[in-house]
Amino acid sequence: NAGVMQNPRHLVRRRGQEARLRCSPMKGHSHVYWYRQLPEEGLKFMVYLQKENIIDESGMPKERFSAEFPKEGPSILRIQQVVRGDSAAYFCASSPNLGAGELFFGEGSRLTVL
Amino acid sequence: QKEVEQDPGPLSVPEGAIVSLNCTYSNSAFQYFMWYRQYSRKGPELLMYTYSSGNKEDGRFTAQVDKSSKYISLFIRDSQPSDSATYLCAIFLTGANSKLTFGKGITLSVRP
Repeated sequence: NAGVMQNPRHLVRRRGQEARLRCSPMKGHSHVYWYRQLPEEGLKFMVYLQKENIIDESGMPKERFSAEFPKEGPSILRIQQVVRGDSAAYFCASSPNLGAGELFFGEGSRLTVL
Repeated sequence: QKEVEQDPGPLSVPEGAIVSLNCTYSNSAFQYFMWYRQYSRKGPELLMYTYSSGNKEDGRFTAQVDKSSKYISLFIRDSQPSDSATYLCAIFLTGANSKLTFGKGITLSVRP
């Protein structure tokens, strides 16, 4: 049973380019969360999605960031016109239901903006 | 006031020591309390969770929750070098906008 799969694991972009991070949840999981982790900081919630729906995007910057979880295929976190401050590790987590908050995390995608 | 505050680190202990990791939280409505462990360059993995005041044991690990003082702790007995990692406390509130809120994490190093 494969875990949460994230790709790419490492991504380098120049300022102004776009970054697309993909996340395939565990089989049978319909809830996907994205978190951002900066050096020396904890995990910061960004967005919570279910299939075809954004449930809570209160942690997402208002501009340049978007997320989707289509009916078919992985969840995508998209960052347009990246800036150096976007450099971070982005983690995706999935859950089978709204139960006790047991989230299963992927290995993360590390974005470096030059 | 932050929703979850975690004791700052880093923390370095000798092998075999008892380790105590602590967090406080501000919202008494939070229902579930977790500890995640994160090895360097890896994703967090759930170590333990509980939803009631009291203690929960799992091998060398004990999670403790005191809802009256909004205090959660993780104790590690007979610590091993393999326990060296970052430990993150997290709290969860179910509902329409359920999400896991994390503390900053504390990096533990167990010296052989």
